[in-house]
Amino acid sequence: SQTIHQWPATLVQPVGSPLSLECTVEGTSNPNLYWYRQAAGRGLQLLFYSVGIGQISSEVPQNLSASRPQDRQFILSSKKLLLSDSGFYLCAWRSLAKNIQYFGAGTRLSVL
Amino acid sequence: AQSVAQPEDQVNVAEGNPLTVKCTYSVSGNPYLFWYVQYPNRGLQFLLKYITGDNLVKGSYGFEAEFNKSQTSFHLKKPSALVSDSALYFCAVRERNNAGNMLTFGGGTRLMVKP
Repeated sequence: SQTIHQWPATLVQPVGSPLSLECTVEGTSNPNLYWYRQAAGRGLQLLFYSVGIGQISSEVPQNLSASRPQDRQFILSSKKLLLSDSGFYLCAWRSLAKNIQYFGAGTRLSVL
Repeated sequence: AQSVAQPEDQVNVAEGNPLTVKCTYSVSGNPYLFWYVQYPNRGLQFLLKYITGDNLVKGSYGFEAEFNKSQTSFHLKKPSALVSDSALYFCAVRERNNAGNMLTFGGGTRLMVKP
């Protein structure tokens, strides 16, 4: 069966520090991968998606970047965090067979 | 462009009563429609989807949703609410020719089921 892992679960970082959030998927190959941000426990904003290794599409210009160094690994990064980067970050993968996006448990980032 | 609206920030219902969480959408062409549920500090869990076929879709935990093309709606329903159904519910849509298979989510509706 397929599983998706995100870590860390929570993170507190000072303004101006770097960020690296990791997401990995097991049990499938060549998945579409997505990073979302959820602010204030409400709507989801799509940040990045990837249809293959090294292929990243950005939906919103911002302080963040994404990379996909391996087929089932998706990384969200920042060189210098801003207060506005605080939020709940969710990674998802799409099952081609079921046409469903499945989500990880999320990372709650607090930038202080 | 695809969009989703969830007109209610919060829905309150008594345990045992039927519940409806509303969703309307806008797409070019035919849509794929989804409902997800989120419990506090957790990721989204898939509930059900409409791709094609029967307009009434049954999903997890006794939930169902009805696709209404003329009203561009996909309301989530359950005949008898449980206190444990209290959570944040998201409707999502995708156009069939969406190259990145990207979903657009509504703003979410908080469901409160009171004993």
